[in-house]
Amino acid sequence: QSVLTQPPSASGTPGQRVTISCSGSSSNIGSNYVYWYQQLPGTAPKLLIYRNNQRPSGVPDRFSGSKSGTSASLAISGLRSEDEADYYCAAWDDSLSAYVVFGGGTKLTVL
Amino acid sequence: QVQLQESGPGLVKPSQTLSLTCTVSGGSISSGGYYWSWIRQHPGKGLEWIGYIYYSGSTYYNPSLKSRVTISVDTSKNQFSLKLSSVTAADTAVYYCASAPDYNYFDYWGQGTLVTVSS
Repeated sequence: QSVLTQPPSASGTPGQRVTISCSGSSSNIGSNYVYWYQQLPGTAPKLLIYRNNQRPSGVPDRFSGSKSGTSASLAISGLRSEDEADYYCAAWDDSLSAYVVFGGGTKLTVL
Repeated sequence: QVQLQESGPGLVKPSQTLSLTCTVSGGSISSGGYYWSWIRQHPGKGLEWIGYIYYSGSTYYNPSLKSRVTISVDTSKNQFSLKLSSVTAADTAVYYCASAPDYNYFDYWGQGTLVTVSS
């Protein structure tokens, strides 16, 4: 059971805009930055979004992140076949047992 | 650009200690400013943060693994290492090392190494 909650799957057709949600609590998303990672099949995760809505160099502006209260979202516009991957949200959790927490991951399928 | 490469045994017996090393290239561990981390992924499952070490040697571990984890650094070899003791089948996973510019996110990852716990 992951601390952050993501839908297990999402899908869209090429060119569409899809969003992936990430729900947490006041001790994690509510008080800390959210990060998003993309994991293509058979590869290591890659940083996609940092500090809620910032893109590392090289990440297309089709990817955007947002946060509101204890929830966050990753939006992908102009969906492409190469976006088919697992997406994970993450945040620091300030509870008594402070540590990095991840969502369970969302498998995005491009139909 | 920093590159990381995990190395170590792919098979460990139950109750023994899992030992992995991460070799860093393209940057110096001792230059500071980064947290050097271990993360694992159980087969077909999500990600689990194990812990990190700062170049100074300060460490911080996932509370659920803290009693069994040791992360150390060898600045002379530009490497950091993970030891996980008393392993069981539940520790079978792909283990990744990663660099963290802040204590809570990871910008560069190794390719990962599968460690299977089995007799």
